[in-house]
Amino acid sequence: DAGVTQSPTHLIKTRGQQVTLRCSPISGHKSVSWYQQVLGQGPQFIFQYYEKEERGRGNFPDRFSARQFPNYSSELNVNALLLGDSALYLCASSLGGGNNQPQHFGDGTRLSIL
Amino acid sequence: RKEVEQDPGPFNVPEGATVAFNCTYSNSASQSFFWYRQDCRKEPKLLMSVYSSGNEDGRFTAQLNRASQYISLLIRDSKLSDSATYLCVVNGWSTGGFKTIFGAGTRLFVKA
Repeated sequence: DAGVTQSPTHLIKTRGQQVTLRCSPISGHKSVSWYQQVLGQGPQFIFQYYEKEERGRGNFPDRFSARQFPNYSSELNVNALLLGDSALYLCASSLGGGNNQPQHFGDGTRLSIL
Repeated sequence: RKEVEQDPGPFNVPEGATVAFNCTYSNSASQSFFWYRQDCRKEPKLLMSVYSSGNEDGRFTAQLNRASQYISLLIRDSKLSDSATYLCVVNGWSTGGFKTIFGAGTRLFVKA
């Protein structure tokens, strides 16, 4: 069975541009979360979506937005990119909306801003 | 104060040693807890869930103390392959909705 898949694996953008990252959850999983991880730190929570509705939001500016589609896949959009947005962006899926559901991560998208 | 705090280490231990990691959290309304391991330049992988009653999976034992708001991970008989960063994770509701908060991670090096 396929795990969580993310695309693209690597991306290079310049300041001011916009980027869209994509995530397909494990089959049967209805919840998707997005994280930003910079070197030496743990993943920082950006969003969680469950059944196409935003369930939680971390402390990120409005330049970050996301959505979940009827097939439970998700996109993360970042506008007006800054140098500080360079990071590994991780997507994780979980079975349902229950608080005790463990999350399973994709390999991530490594975003570099020049 | 950070929402989830871990000792960053690194912990350098010989093979066969027992090592323990602790993690504290600030949101008393937190509802579920996990340990993940992350290898260099890889994604985090679920190690185990953490329950108040304590749970064990082979050489790994996890414990939750809700009164003191900390979770722990004990690794017995350390193997070289245990070398990784260990992340504690706390889920719960707060302003902004449901959040999953990761600690910064504790690095473990197991030496031959």
